[in-house]
Amino acid sequence: QKEVEQDPGPLSVPEGAIVSLNCTYSNSAFQYFMWYRQYSRKGPELLMYTYSSGNKEDGRFTAQVDKSSKYISLFIRDSQPSDSATYLCAIWRGQNFVFGPGTRLSVLP
Amino acid sequence: NAGVTQTPKFRVLKTGQSMTLLCAQDMNHEYMYWYRQDPGMGLRLIHYSVGEGTTAKGEVPDGYNVSRLKKQNFLLGLESAAPSQTSVYFCASRDSQGVVTEAFFGQGTRLTVV
Repeated sequence: QKEVEQDPGPLSVPEGAIVSLNCTYSNSAFQYFMWYRQYSRKGPELLMYTYSSGNKEDGRFTAQVDKSSKYISLFIRDSQPSDSATYLCAIWRGQNFVFGPGTRLSVLP
Repeated sequence: NAGVTQTPKFRVLKTGQSMTLLCAQDMNHEYMYWYRQDPGMGLRLIHYSVGEGTTAKGEVPDGYNVSRLKKQNFLLGLESAAPSQTSVYFCASRDSQGVVTEAFFGQGTRLTVV
């Protein structure tokens, strides 16, 4: 079983839609969870991170962790064409990160 | 502030050739990482370093070597390139202060081995 699993998509939505991106993980000891955004032909950039369970909101973005089901989510409200990118979940594993394969999102105007 | 800079940005190698990828960071970060990114596989850790003079193996280290002679530089070497090493390579760095800190990535190196 992979440590982090993520639906690779691609996912296409119309502008203004609510987007839900999800990952599952295998190790219940993980505590820190991150979402990175990667535009085409660029390096990933940190979007948000959360510690343990619960929600964290930043503008149109909400990150959610459910440790009981080992499930992490990123919600994007009022999605914009500029949100079109690949979204990678990542988990802190001590000295390094383990990344999901990423979900490619297209927001159509 | 340049952040993390990778050299070169593109390269085509013939099978069996060698090359070195250079990663330079100007943020005085202790930790540096080399990842490869392949379609459907995400970012996979090749090697990493927790400080000058240290290196450690990641998830997919075979066929690669690294060196961290200076704190700001992390070199990734391919001694005898194989087509399976065709990939996009990303370097990242992060500060050691705090439990978890953001990883800053370079722009990537697109390597094709023919």
